[in-house]
Amino acid sequence: GAVVSQHPSWVICKSGTSVKIECRSLDFQATTMFWYRQFPKQSLMLMATSNEGSKATYEQGVEKDKFLINHASLTLSTLTVTSAHPEDSSFYICSARDPRTGPYEQYFGPGTRLTVT
Amino acid sequence: KQEVTQIPAALSVPEGENLVLNCSFTDSAIYNLQWFRQDPGKGLTSLLLIQSSQREQTSGRLNASLDKSSGRSTLYIAASQPGDSATYLCAVSRGAQGAQKLVFGQGTRLTINP
Repeated sequence: GAVVSQHPSWVICKSGTSVKIECRSLDFQATTMFWYRQFPKQSLMLMATSNEGSKATYEQGVEKDKFLINHASLTLSTLTVTSAHPEDSSFYICSARDPRTGPYEQYFGPGTRLTVT
Repeated sequence: KQEVTQIPAALSVPEGENLVLNCSFTDSAIYNLQWFRQDPGKGLTSLLLIQSSQREQTSGRLNASLDKSSGRSTLYIAASQPGDSATYLCAVSRGAQGAQKLVFGQGTRLTINP
């Protein structure tokens, strides 16, 4: 149980365009999802916390108008990178909390590799 | 601000050896500490989770310890195998209201040589 998927697994887009990444909890309902960014050979940095039915909470330094997060259902959160620039190229990973297993366990998706040319 | 440091950044050992990965954190007000495994270009797999009230957790050949007061954790891998090659990340959860938010170390890239 507790499987999280992401789509797409990789995407290449041109500078100035927008790209949407989906995060789905496949076998549980996730009231809370998290979005992380990981640069090459660096650790994961939390970008934002996504709560179903309410606005996302962004970490300090993360532009909420650039990284749009929507958590419209209990199984789906989306991250849209707007007006992408080459410096947005990164590995984006989502995680979801399964309320059945307590407040602290997070299940991670396989990640999405974004390359902006 | 919580900072998590992992030493060493990379480690290469022959198959069969026992090894220890280290993790330290600056703020002892944590709810738990987790060790994850990340294969190249992949997501994270949770290995062990230690609650702040616990001293250690074991799963198979893995044993993780936690010394909250000194801000340290170790991951012990016994009888290493080539399949253990991956990057190992430790992460601490922020205390109190931010209990669910994880702060990650930069990882230890482990290579087990056959």
